[in-house]
Amino acid sequence: QQQVKQSPQSLIVQKGGISIINCAYENTAFDYFPWYQQFPGKGPALLIAIRPDVSEKKEGRFTISFNKSAKQFSLHIMDSQPGDSATYFCAASKGSGNTGKLIFGQGTTLQVKP
Amino acid sequence: ETGVTQTPRHLVMGMTNKKSLKCEQHLGHNAMYWYKQSAKKPLELMFVYSLEERVENNSVPSRFSPECPNSSHLFLHLHTLQPEDSALYLCASSQDDRGAFEQYFGPGTRLTVT
Repeated sequence: QQQVKQSPQSLIVQKGGISIINCAYENTAFDYFPWYQQFPGKGPALLIAIRPDVSEKKEGRFTISFNKSAKQFSLHIMDSQPGDSATYFCAASKGSGNTGKLIFGQGTTLQVKP
Repeated sequence: ETGVTQTPRHLVMGMTNKKSLKCEQHLGHNAMYWYKQSAKKPLELMFVYSLEERVENNSVPSRFSPECPNSSHLFLHLHTLQPEDSALYLCASSQDDRGAFEQYFGPGTRLTVT
């Protein structure tokens, strides 16, 4: 129940295309869903996050779509660029009133081809 | 220096050695974390410290021993490790360990156990 399942494991997209990464969770107590981006040789960095009171959040080319009833959320990268090539991790936590322990997905390695 | 720094960046040690990993955060945060990152696996939370007190220990073997002398520094003492302990060890910090605060990661220490 503590797991967050992420797919696909790897993704290749042409420049200008849309990259979509999906995550699913079981624990309905989760109420904070961030996405982290990790470049080689660097630690993960927060990209965008959502809470379940909204179904979508957009920041520039990055959008999180959230489906509470299906217990799924996804990251969409519009107009994907070679600089977006990185590993992406979804995560979930019980952010309200509890320790903000993050449960991470397995990660998706994205390659954007020029 | 800004953000979260980790030293050393790379470490090779034998199974009988004793070594320590160091993490320092320059963000004024109250919570610090150790994670283990292995290939094709989710980030595994190892330890959480809040205001220098250990608040979480995720069933980590005793050959890993954390120490938090103050809110800016975190150490991971290693002894009699196994080859399967080879991984990237990431340190992170956040404003607080409660609630959904962004976690800021260091670049990690790449550990190889021979």
